[in-house]
Amino acid sequence: SQQGEEDPQALSIQEGENATMNCSYKTSINNLQWYRQNSGRGLVHLILIRSNEREKHSGRLRVTLDTSKKSSSLLITASRAADTASYFCATEPNTGNQFYFGTGTSLTVIP
Amino acid sequence: GAGVSQSPSNKVTEKGKDVELRCDPISGHTALYWYRQSLGQGLEFLIYFQGNSAPDKSGLPSDRFSAERTGGSVSTLTIQRTQQEDSAVYLCASSLAWRSDTQYFGPGTRLTVL
Repeated sequence: SQQGEEDPQALSIQEGENATMNCSYKTSINNLQWYRQNSGRGLVHLILIRSNEREKHSGRLRVTLDTSKKSSSLLITASRAADTASYFCATEPNTGNQFYFGTGTSLTVIP
Repeated sequence: GAGVSQSPSNKVTEKGKDVELRCDPISGHTALYWYRQSLGQGLEFLIYFQGNSAPDKSGLPSDRFSAERTGGSVSTLTIQRTQQEDSAVYLCASSLAWRSDTQYFGPGTRLTVL
């Protein structure tokens, strides 16, 4: 099975509300990244957090990382309809030559 | 170039035919990655290149899949004797360096095997 699992699978909120997505993984990592995907095509990188970091911000995005629990969360504040997309976490394990993407959270922001 | 490009954007083929998918990474990016995404699923890591070398091919689904990269730039993913389960979107990404770096994705090639 894949390394990363996002939760929830789908999330629907009103515009202006905050959206929180979680990612759990299985092995020790160098870093964890969050990506966004529109319309099932190319992904856009949002933020990278390294294993020695606990929290990172970028605009309306806030990412946390808890390596003891092997989990990360992505918070989008003051959501907009344009935030509607699928969000994936991707982990880079300490060893090996692969990257692992989770199954994604489908976010719908209702105007 | 401005970004990662992939061609064709859509490919419909008959079962048993061979297909070749192309990826043009961002100029100067040494690392290149291929992923497969089935409908409504996450991304499945297939293979990566450091320069022209692919150190680990274990992610390729079967021996019908092969990939090469020439001149440290363009890469092709070839699927021989396509099967219906090969239908998916094939995504390519590149990054300046291997590991701990942002991957920039192309728009993908949607492959449909009839």
